[in-house]
Amino acid sequence: ETGVTQSPTHLIKTRGQQVTLRCSSQSGHNTVSWYQQALGQGPQFIFQYYREEENGRGNFPPRFSGLQFPNYSSELNVNALELDDSALYLCASSLDGTYESTDTQYFGPGTRLTVL
Amino acid sequence: AQSVTQPDIHITVSEGASLELRCNYSYGATPYLFWYVQSPGQGLQLLLKYFSGDTLVQGIKGFEAEFKRSQSSFNLRKPSVHWSDAAEYFCAVGRIRDDKIIFGKGTRLHILP
Repeated sequence: ETGVTQSPTHLIKTRGQQVTLRCSSQSGHNTVSWYQQALGQGPQFIFQYYREEENGRGNFPPRFSGLQFPNYSSELNVNALELDDSALYLCASSLDGTYESTDTQYFGPGTRLTVL
Repeated sequence: AQSVTQPDIHITVSEGASLELRCNYSYGATPYLFWYVQSPGQGLQLLLKYFSGDTLVQGIKGFEAEFKRSQSSFNLRKPSVHWSDAAEYFCAVGRIRDDKIIFGKGTRLHILP
């Protein structure tokens, strides 16, 4: 148990739709990162939020967006879904947005998104 | 280009045998290195990480890894595997504030009874 929860567990959408995935971080963790893990691949960094501001972004188009709230919850929004968006989406929380400290990222169990 | 290579997609070992999972990286600066484990239906769990200092890093569950700068490697080892170690293992490199964390494609570990 990492104390990080995600909802829903599974989700099925059709191409062109929009989806919102939710993450609840550990209390006190100021940083949340989102990753996309396609089948048979390692996780790919989407973006990170630190104290409600975007703090870094991977190679994902603007239709992937996020929000972080003061109550340690966050959202990943994906617009205009494409078939290739089918993946496991992981969120990870950490105390601070730096690995220079002894911070550890705690991962949630993920949301499995299927786009038909 | 920054990258992480895990050359072995699948590895099978007998319970009680020793284990070594390979990881090679390409990174412009001194990297921060990580090993994660992912069990089916679970998120990622950090086994160990290397920032600096002693190049032999001890982690949880009896795992250790050795950073070899000359070989750009960060191999994961365990002297005696247990059936519960069957999972997918990911090597990762980077640092959050300056760059994204880059994961390898993973090595699936199978344990024979």
